This record gives sequence, structure tokens and C-alpha cells, in this order.
Amino acid sequence: DQQVKQNSPSLSVQEGRISILNCDYTNSMFDYFLWYKKYPAEGPTFLISISSIKDKNEDGRFTVFLNKSAKHLSLHIVPSQPGDSAVYFCAARRNYGQNFVFGPGTRLSVLP
Amino acid sequence: DAGVTQSPTHLIKTRGQQVTLRCSPISGHKSVSWYQQVLGQGPQFIFQYYEKEERGRGNFPDRFSARQFPNYSSELNVNALLLGDSALYLCASSWETDYYEQYFGPGTRLTVT
Repeated sequence: DQQVKQNSPSLSVQEGRISILNCDYTNSMFDYFLWYKKYPAEGPTFLISISSIKDKNEDGRFTVFLNKSAKHLSLHIVPSQPGDSAVYFCAARRNYGQNFVFGPGTRLSVLP
Repeated sequence: DAGVTQSPTHLIKTRGQQVTLRCSPISGHKSVSWYQQVLGQGPQFIFQYYEKEERGRGNFPDRFSARQFPNYSSELNVNALLLGDSALYLCASSWETDYYEQYFGPGTRLTVT
């Protein structure tokens, strides 16, 4: 039973356009969400987070939106750059101190 | 500053064998967590250690064990290897027990034949 789902295994976007990566979760008790980016041969690196008390968090080109009623969050990257090509993981936790549950990831390819 | 380091980078073992993976956290970090990432899936939590004590355990069999040393480095041991144990094993370190501020190493790729 996958508690965190990323239903698009891959996504291709033209450089300069918007990339939208989606994540759905099943556990309504999740209170904190993270996005990680992973390049080949490297470990995941933290990208952006959002608490369940917010519906939006922005950091430069990256914005995460949370829709609690739909149990859905999305990561927007504007404008997309070739260096953004990586695997993106969505992760969620139930409460402080609990481990994060990761989704299967979405491979983003930004085409020049 | 050195990040999280893991050794070895790659490892090939035979079914039934035992393996030990090593992790050195970022200097000053007292917490180390271990994850298993099977191809096509996200990292799955195995253990967390903080100040040499186990603070969290994921849904893995007793064949998996770990420990943390006084210098905060850590080892993950897997006994009686199965083909399904083939995966990328990731180590992450953090200052405290909260998993939010964790930094991942590059991982050890384990292949069981």
C-alpha cells in the first residue's frame, strides 16, 4: 500500500517552460511534506518543503502547492532549466520525529 | 566541508552471504539514518540512530541490523542476503533526530547474485 504516489514516472519539458510535478498521498495524518531532487550517482538533496497549515511555499523558481482536501501536492518549476533534469521525490511524514515516506519519483527531462 | 560519505560505492555478493555497509556523517551531525532504494521506487526507511541508540526502525526483517559508533559513523549489516536485497543503500545524517534536515550520501549499490 503506497501512501505517497507519484503517478508520472517521467516528464519532458522545454527549457524556459513550466514543469509541474504531482504527488498524491493517502494518509490524512501527514503534516509535513518535502521535495527532494536526485542526480545520478548522488544522494537526494532537499529542495523545498511545506507544512500542512499552508497551501503554498515559494523559493526562487520553485513553488510547492498543497491541496489538503484532495490530498495532493505539486511542485512548479518556472522557468525550467536543463540543470533541473533529475529525479524528483515527494516525501511526507505523520508528525515531528517520524520518518518520511517517499514516493517512487518522477524523472524530469528539460530539453534545450 | 565533507558531506556524508559511504563505502563501498559498489558491492557484489552472493545469496546467503553477509554484507556490511559504512557511513560517515557530516561533521557535528549526531544522527544517521539508513534507507533502501530499490530500482523504480523511492527510498524506504530502514533505521535511525542517534547518539549510538536506535531511535527508529522501518518495516525490515531482522536480517537487517545497524549500529552507530562513538564518532557517530554507522554500519548497516545485512545477513543471509536475498536477491531482493539488491538495491541502492542510502545513508543520511542530521543534527538531531528530526528527519527534516537530513543530508544524504551518494549511496552503496549492492547487487546480490
